[in-house]
Amino acid sequence: DGGITQSPKYLFRKEGQNVTLSCEQNLNHDAMYWYRQDPGQGLRLIYYSQIVNDFQKGDIAEGYSVSREKKESFPLTVTSAQKNPTAFYLCASKPLAGGIANTGELFFGEGSRLTVL
Amino acid sequence: ILNVEQSPQSLHVQEGDSTNFTCSFPSSNFYALHWYRWETAKSPEALFVMTLNGDEKKKGRISATLNTKEGYSYLYIKGSQPEDSATYLCAFGPPGSARQLTFGSGTQLTVLP
Repeated sequence: DGGITQSPKYLFRKEGQNVTLSCEQNLNHDAMYWYRQDPGQGLRLIYYSQIVNDFQKGDIAEGYSVSREKKESFPLTVTSAQKNPTAFYLCASKPLAGGIANTGELFFGEGSRLTVL
Repeated sequence: ILNVEQSPQSLHVQEGDSTNFTCSFPSSNFYALHWYRWETAKSPEALFVMTLNGDEKKKGRISATLNTKEGYSYLYIKGSQPEDSATYLCAFGPPGSARQLTFGSGTQLTVLP
């Protein structure tokens, strides 16, 4: 089945530790995104990438890092510099080509919940 | 920073009731308005992507309307069923980029049997 796989679903981390969240897609989509969700707030963009080996900061990139070495993979590292890392993280992707057939909708994974102890 | 607001924040309805909720967005510089359904423990899934003022889209018992001039969209569910229970997100996409959507905080719908 085509889709986006995020792992792990749940992750616990001690303060001061870096942690990497995995996001893999087999949809052959060009663009990939990382969002963060906090209670009562909309999804906020952390980082995005439109092409391999290139990525851009979103609205809340501080304390996070990403890489895009392969089209299908876009891992997110939550570093010790992130002051409030406990949150739910969603990865998404979408194609950039396709003309008018491309509705622009995002395809999401099921998310990863990170808790800092 | 764009402001996208959804109301109500949560909603409980009885099975069979019809319901609707609102997404408000900036009326200037419009490009697209997305609606997503997010069931617990699943991925958010796109319901509609709307781009034209006055557009109305329908999928089964769910429909949506769009007013870009006044900056709002309504999502309607006719004859709600327990399986409609989910959080409904709207997202506003300004022109000029594949970059991003600005999401509202969602309306959490619970349909009681």
